[in-house]
Amino acid sequence: EAGVAQSPRYKIIEKRQSVAFWCNPISGHATLYWYQQILGQGPKLLIQFQNNGVVDDSQLPKDRFSAERLKGVDSTLKIQPAKLEDSAVYLCASSTPTGLGGELFFGEGSRLTVL
Amino acid sequence: QKEVEQNSGPLSVPEGAIASLNCTYSDRGSQSFFWYRQYSGKSPELIMSIYSNGDKEDGRFTAQLNKASQYVSLLIRDSQPSDSATYLCAVGAYSGAGSYQLTFGKGTKLSVIP
Repeated sequence: EAGVAQSPRYKIIEKRQSVAFWCNPISGHATLYWYQQILGQGPKLLIQFQNNGVVDDSQLPKDRFSAERLKGVDSTLKIQPAKLEDSAVYLCASSTPTGLGGELFFGEGSRLTVL
Repeated sequence: QKEVEQNSGPLSVPEGAIASLNCTYSDRGSQSFFWYRQYSGKSPELIMSIYSNGDKEDGRFTAQLNKASQYVSLLIRDSQPSDSATYLCAVGAYSGAGSYQLTFGKGTKLSVIP
C-alpha cells in the first residue's frame, strides 16, 4: 500500500514570495491534515479536511495561508506572501478514524526555508 | 485550547538501560493516545497506541495510561543507540464540531549512549 506522498521535499524562497505544497493521501483515507512543524517543536495542526470539506481551519493564518482538497483526494497548501517565521516542515497526514479514533499516517514532509 | 506537555529533554541513558518518557494532557475527553518516534529530518512514525487505562506492551516498548491523572508514559527497555530520536506524545479527541484530531506535545529528545 502506497503511503502519503508529498512534494516538493525542499523549497527555498525569499520573504514575500509564494509557495505551494502538494499532498496525495493513502487511498481510501477520507481525512487529510496539514501540520506545521517548526524546528524543535511538535507538529501543529493547520487545517483538517473530511473528504473535500474543511472541518477545522481555526489555526490556519488565513491572511496568507490557503488550502484546498479538490475531489476529496489530493490537497494543496499555499502560502502567499511568505514570512520568515513560516520556515518549517509542512507535514501532510491522512487517517480513517474508527470508533475511538485512529493513528495518523504522515508523509515525508516539505521543508520550507524563507530567506 | 488542548495541551499536551512533555519534558523536552534531552534525556540521556546508557545502552541497555530503561528510558522513561512522560506526557500529560489537558483534555479529559481525550480517547486515544499515541507515541510517535521522529528521527532527525524524518517524519513521525507510530510506535505505540493505547486506548484504555493500564499497560500495553509491544516488544521492548511499554505504554502506560492513567486517565484519572491525565498521564501517559512510554518505557523503552534495553535501550539501543538506534532508539536515539525525538519521541512525540499525541492525544486524540473529537472536537466540538465532531472532527477527530491529534494534538502533539513538543517531543522529548532521547539519546542512548553506547
